[in-house]
Amino acid sequence: GESVGLHLPTLSVQEGDNSIINCAYSNSASDYFIWYKQESGKGPQFIIDIRSNMDKRQGQRVTVLLNKTVKHLSLQIAATQPGDSAVYFCAENGGGGSYIPTFGRGTSLIVHP
Amino acid sequence: NAGVTQTPKFQVLKTGQSMTLQCAQDMNHNSMYWYRQDPGMGLRLIYYSASEGTTDKGEVPNGYNVSRLNKREFSLRLESAAPSQTSVYFCASSAGTAAKNIQYFGAGTRLSVL
Repeated sequence: GESVGLHLPTLSVQEGDNSIINCAYSNSASDYFIWYKQESGKGPQFIIDIRSNMDKRQGQRVTVLLNKTVKHLSLQIAATQPGDSAVYFCAENGGGGSYIPTFGRGTSLIVHP
Repeated sequence: NAGVTQTPKFQVLKTGQSMTLQCAQDMNHNSMYWYRQDPGMGLRLIYYSASEGTTDKGEVPNGYNVSRLNKREFSLRLESAAPSQTSVYFCASSAGTAAKNIQYFGAGTRLSVL
């Protein structure tokens, strides 16, 4: 999950394992959530999104789970590959018609070959 | 297929110098944003422009100004750079709807203020 401080939470996995990256969001009114991937030296890139009327959404090798009761979001990556090594950010839109996202601090995923 | 283009990629300034970071998008997006990213931190919004002709402050606007020159371009200006503005700056654009607001980011400008 994400935490306060200068050092990002880090998840280390072996190639081929499944990865789960967690995010606690703050605003119970948020109704749209996005996961971004940021590779070293690059800008964030969209991975998958989910609306608050859903609790699960699947993409290619990725699944996002939303638990509104505890304001928790997770990103599951199946069969993790070295190319998945990056920092992953969740973002929430704040709800109430707002489209300006608030980003979490990020989690660093390190995939060992 | 350029997407969001930022210039320059790297810049070193002395305290008190000024500079403008340029950003252009070719996706016909209404909304554009400037963020800064510091080590161990997420993205913090400096300014955004919901549409051509409008700009609004974000979370950390002090020390910055912006101009939405046209629909494609959104620039960020540092009038008198300070060491606290050493950071990586990202420009982003989006369609700007609450229902589905995916942002597309540039590659970033790495700024050092000495």
